[in-house]
Amino acid sequence: QSALTQPASVSGSPGQSIAISCIGTSSDVGTYNLVSWYQQYPGKAPKLIIYEASKRPSGVSTRFSGSKSGNTASLTISGLQAEDEADYYCCSYSDGNIWVFGGGTKLTVL
Amino acid sequence: EVQLVESGGVSVQPGGSLRLSCAASGFTFSRQTMSWVRQAPGRGLEWVAKMKEDGSDVSYVDSVKGRFTISRDNAKNSLYLQMNNLKAEDTAMYYCAKGGGGCCFDYWGRGTLVTVSS
Repeated sequence: QSALTQPASVSGSPGQSIAISCIGTSSDVGTYNLVSWYQQYPGKAPKLIIYEASKRPSGVSTRFSGSKSGNTASLTISGLQAEDEADYYCCSYSDGNIWVFGGGTKLTVL
Repeated sequence: EVQLVESGGVSVQPGGSLRLSCAASGFTFSRQTMSWVRQAPGRGLEWVAKMKEDGSDVSYVDSVKGRFTISRDNAKNSLYLQMNNLKAEDTAMYYCAKGGGGCCFDYWGRGTLVTVSS
């Protein structure tokens, strides 16, 4: 039950695009399309922003997009805004009927 | 509007027990898989347990197997987590989340804080 691997931090300037990677294995990301992404502000509950690797829930900005290739999933945020500064977590369904999260990535908007 | 409200978090000594509750509203609770997810102070998210709408398909993260028990009462629209033999490493904010049966966790409560310390 190992956690998925995310970079600890990423940064970008307003208007730029950034990508956050989420590296798993053939037991999770590589096999199941059940990859989701969550945005979390300090002291707040997580919020779903991407599900099934690339789908956006209603109400989530189109600036957020997701993709998956092999054992790696990615979250891309385009047109970076100050309000995007938060922690981001990936999550995947895994063998053994469990869920695993990534360690989280802190996004800083410069 | 979907609402999930957790309660029951307190400070407890190692080896102690605690029961968390989650009151759900705004959706058909009896038709949804529900989960518990925790977050240790300054750390990342960790999925803890899930239970299908009919009480079946229960699973746990390895670190809590044999110590934690997830349950639900569909008549009361409530989810529970019985936590026994608590350890310092169980200290965390515990979130109730809608989902875990597929797709994702689409709604979360605000969490309830469990502190295990002597």
